[in-house]
Amino acid sequence: GQQVMQIPQYQHVQEGEDFTTYCNSSTTLSNIQWYKQRPGGHPVFLIQLVKSGEVKKQKRLTFQFGEAKKNSSLHITATQTTDVGTYFCADSGSARQLTFGSGTQLTVLP
Amino acid sequence: DTGVSQNPRHKITKRGQNVTFRCDPISEHNRLYWYRQTLGQGPEFLTYFQNEAQLEKSRLLSDRFSAERPKGSFSTLEIQRTEQGDSAMYLCASSLPGTGSPNTEAFFGQGTRLTVV
Repeated sequence: GQQVMQIPQYQHVQEGEDFTTYCNSSTTLSNIQWYKQRPGGHPVFLIQLVKSGEVKKQKRLTFQFGEAKKNSSLHITATQTTDVGTYFCADSGSARQLTFGSGTQLTVLP
Repeated sequence: DTGVSQNPRHKITKRGQNVTFRCDPISEHNRLYWYRQTLGQGPEFLTYFQNEAQLEKSRLLSDRFSAERPKGSFSTLEIQRTEQGDSAMYLCASSLPGTGSPNTEAFFGQGTRLTVV
């Protein structure tokens, strides 16, 4: 079945440093969504990418969808302690389910 | 804010007991999902409802698990004869109906943390 792989599994950065997490699929993705889960919290929707090569920005967050629609990335510029959490990508091609990656847990050291 | 509500938030049960969880989705959302999440992993899909119809069920889902959404509003997830491996966070999510692609965003509840001892 469809598998979505995410790397790295963990990332520790100093506050102010940049952070990137990568999402890769063995098959072409229709759409991809990104979620953030704070420690002890629940996943919260960040964005959805639909088009090949699409780039979307939300303040310090930049989301990209690969040209072949098999990979995606989330880049955070100048991390802050409020960015702490686990970032998940999810294949959202089916209305009936989201297939989540295993997530990247971000720790920001003050 | 009437987000997705789940009850109870925590449940500790002895192995072999039955447990039932409830999810109240956002009122206008006709799509409802159940996911299971264990430590260090992403949410794993369990089942999907559109209104009252259960349209998708994970092949990984044991027959000890059953879910209902009788009136197309709230949903319940029951686990019979619980096992220690059932210990996890059970997340409910709902979303608005979408037409074709792209899918709409899912709103998650706070989850029910199940511990089987």
